[in-house]
Amino acid sequence: DAKTTQPPSMDCAEGRAANLPCNHSTISGNEYVYWYRQIHSQGPQYIIHGLKNNETNEMASLIITEDRKSSTLILPHATLRDTAVYYCIVRGGGAGNNRKLIWGLGTSLAVNP
Amino acid sequence: GAVVSQHPSWVICKSGTSVKIECRSLDFQATTMFWYRQFPKQSLMLMATSNEGSKATYEQGVEKDKFLINHASLTLSTLTVTSAHPEDSSFYICSAGTVEYGYTFGSGTRLTVV
Repeated sequence: DAKTTQPPSMDCAEGRAANLPCNHSTISGNEYVYWYRQIHSQGPQYIIHGLKNNETNEMASLIITEDRKSSTLILPHATLRDTAVYYCIVRGGGAGNNRKLIWGLGTSLAVNP
Repeated sequence: GAVVSQHPSWVICKSGTSVKIECRSLDFQATTMFWYRQFPKQSLMLMATSNEGSKATYEQGVEKDKFLINHASLTLSTLTVTSAHPEDSSFYICSAGTVEYGYTFGSGTRLTVV
């Protein structure tokens, strides 16, 4: 599976949009981009995933560049509860459930009042 | 939907004893579950992949005789840390795959060996 690169930390003001970038320049055609977050001392939480098109759900939006080499997770109105470590992971094999994930260090997002 | 329940959430044990951690998929069947370990301020490190009805696949450097994994049913996988030592103190997390969400994770188990 492709490797991802994320900034180690970011700050965001409460109520503003948080834009978290991820570089996955070696992504291949059948690999999905997944985003998870981990609040301190909890298990990771699924946020969103996509293949080519931009995606939106109740938590966030995912913008994938046309060449698919990078993506941005957008939290439209960040709250203090969004303070967490955000992981961008690229995984192949479609939406199957038996491929292991390779975890980087993620981006530690601090939402400030 | 797609909830994974992990128990216990924290445990303290004495050196030399064994500890069992359970991971249950509550509303779906999981043929594959994954066990991770996470040290403070580090990322998740995959320990092993648990397959229902067969032997687990361990990552390089993980002792299979120390970290016993059993996946006897489609909804339950267990990790037993045998003869625990203080260096085994860590945050252990299980996860299972779903078609819709990719992977869903348990809430984690904080193990402290004293």
